[in-house]
Amino acid sequence: EVQLVESGGGLVKPGESLRLSCAASGFSFTSAWMSWVRQAPGKGLEWIGRIKSKTGGGTTDYAAPVKDRFIISRDDSENTLFLQMNSLKTEDTALYYCTKYSSGLDYWGQGTLVTVSS
Amino acid sequence: DIVMTQSPDSLAVSLGERATINCKSSQDILYSSNNKNYLAWYQQIPGQPPKLLIFWASTRESGVPDRFSGSGSGTDFTLTISSLQAEDVAVYYCQQYYSLPITFGQGTRLEIK
Repeated sequence: EVQLVESGGGLVKPGESLRLSCAASGFSFTSAWMSWVRQAPGKGLEWIGRIKSKTGGGTTDYAAPVKDRFIISRDDSENTLFLQMNSLKTEDTALYYCTKYSSGLDYWGQGTLVTVSS
Repeated sequence: DIVMTQSPDSLAVSLGERATINCKSSQDILYSSNNKNYLAWYQQIPGQPPKLLIFWASTRESGVPDRFSGSGSGTDFTLTISSLQAEDVAVYYCQQYYSLPITFGQGTRLEIK
């Protein structure tokens, strides 16, 4: 069974940093492309970025609102995806989902809530 | 960026009736080299993460009931639920993965009439 379990969310102040983790199991994480998607309270879905598999080049791509502030990385030895969020803004408040990226986003975690407030 | 626009924003349908949700992309998302439309549909039941229903515009994900179907090509797409069940109450999103950034429609809220 595929499982994606996010952790690391919480309450932070504007300008602070936070690192989210996503523990993956039930599929070949090493060969998977992975993405982060967020959902602000009561709002729609916003793609944040993706990381390719190492064999696919291991490169990352980001949406404009988070480019240069957020960094996606992976530890294939631990089957874990990360999202390093720096210079957080109040508009980054959202539920952050880890997703497996295939033809569409075929598996999603339950999400971890990030609240940015002074 | 490719803008995805869904219609309607909300929809109320009687149990057993057909529900139709439309999605329009601001650019063609049909890749000519493989003749595939890079369009997916998701269902988000309140309090749950989104679930992939349809990819390549018309291919049902494994385990998705056959009352869900996707159609369309190019810039205009449709999600149809042939006979609405109570468990289909949700928000539905279309998404393009033709080019980065991946973009979603604003969502369509489906309720029981």
